Amino acid sequence: EAGVTQFPSHSVIEKGQTVTLRCDPISGHDNLYWYRRVMGKEIKFLLHFVKESKQDESGMPNNRFLAERTGGTYSTLKVQPAELEDSGVYFCASSQDVRSSTDTQYFGPGTRLTVL
Amino acid sequence: QKEVEQNSGPLSVPEGAIASLNCTYSDRGSQSFFWYRQYSGKSPELIMFIYSNGDKEDGRFTAQLNKASQYVSLLIRDSQPSDSATYLCAVTDTSNFNKFYFGSGTKLNVKP
Repeated sequence: EAGVTQFPSHSVIEKGQTVTLRCDPISGHDNLYWYRRVMGKEIKFLLHFVKESKQDESGMPNNRFLAERTGGTYSTLKVQPAELEDSGVYFCASSQDVRSSTDTQYFGPGTRLTVL
Repeated sequence: QKEVEQNSGPLSVPEGAIASLNCTYSDRGSQSFFWYRQYSGKSPELIMFIYSNGDKEDGRFTAQLNKASQYVSLLIRDSQPSDSATYLCAVTDTSNFNKFYFGSGTKLNVKP
């Protein structure tokens, strides 16, 4: 079974540019999450989709970030315009059962974003 | 601000020893607790989860939870060099158990 995949693995852009990150969850997983780890800090929650609906977007830092999950399959996270402080590793995770408090989240390898 | 605290390490143990990793959390209402292992540049990989007070064993790994003291720990018995990685503690949000709060991780070095 394929795991969570993310594209690209690395992205280097200049301040003010736009970047779009993609995540493909494990097949059959209705739940999809975006997290971010900035340098030296812990992994932080950004948002949670259940199918195509945003269940919780309390961690999104500002309106420069836009996440979508059309059709409830893959998701994209767009940063526009990118700022220096957006640099970090963006992780995607997916899980199967939204009703269980022990529902396991499976993580992708992350996209390392560098904003110059 | 809900916090999850871990000693950043590195924690160095000799091969075959027991490695003890600790995590404290601030939200008393958190229900479930997860331990992930992350090798450098790789995905966080689930080791195990626990939600009841006490111990839970899975092979060489034992998770321990004490909700009254708000700490969770991970013991690794018979540590191997391949266990060298960063160990992340994740705690669920009180109102949304799909939302994880992570600690910054403890780096473990197992020396041959």
